[in-house]
Amino acid sequence: NAGVTQTPKFQVLKTGQSMTLQCAQDMNHNSMYWYRQDPGMGLRLIYYSASEGTTDKGEVPNGYNVSRLNKREFSLRLESAAPSQTSVYFCASRGISVGYNEQFFGPGTRLTVL
Amino acid sequence: AQSVSQHNHHVILSEAASLELGCNYSYGGTVNLFWYVQYPGQHLQLLLKYFSGDPLVKGIKGFEAEFIKSKFSFNLRKPSVQWSDTAEYFCAVNAGRGSTLGRLYFGRGTQLTVWP
Repeated sequence: NAGVTQTPKFQVLKTGQSMTLQCAQDMNHNSMYWYRQDPGMGLRLIYYSASEGTTDKGEVPNGYNVSRLNKREFSLRLESAAPSQTSVYFCASRGISVGYNEQFFGPGTRLTVL
Repeated sequence: AQSVSQHNHHVILSEAASLELGCNYSYGGTVNLFWYVQYPGQHLQLLLKYFSGDPLVKGIKGFEAEFIKSKFSFNLRKPSVQWSDTAEYFCAVNAGRGSTLGRLYFGRGTQLTVWP
């Protein structure tokens, strides 16, 4: 089991460029999440997908779009990158188990927007 | 929206000192509570969790946390820290409308530095 994988690990973009961050999980989890982590801010939820075919906005969705391609994959797209989107992005997934809400995190993507 | 407060932004300790990191949350109903740890350059890993039952929860690496419902708190403790505990620690809460969807609300994190 690879768990949650993310690509790329590092990326540098210029303002206005677009890119897609990829996330995949092999734990047969239904729910997937995208967070951004900024110094002193903790983790903030960008978008999540409770199940295949559904997506919802989190706390900071502006400037992002997501696609739940299938049960395994959940991608995050920046259409026109801005310096304020410089951050570390984490994907997470969660299975369904009675009373059990643990999220498993990927290794992160460090994104710099110049 | 939920809020999760971690009172200490940076804690510096010597090895063998005792640790307590504070966490308070704002929701008054049923909550699920978590502590995650992030070692330098790594992703978040679960330290421990509370869903119900005994309010004193034991996790990995000698960590424990106590849920005090009347104080809306879930403080993390370790009797004797090691240099390898240097990391950032995050408290997280699952509650309210987002609970069935698994939404977690994170605190801002506490950076722990342990000197050998």
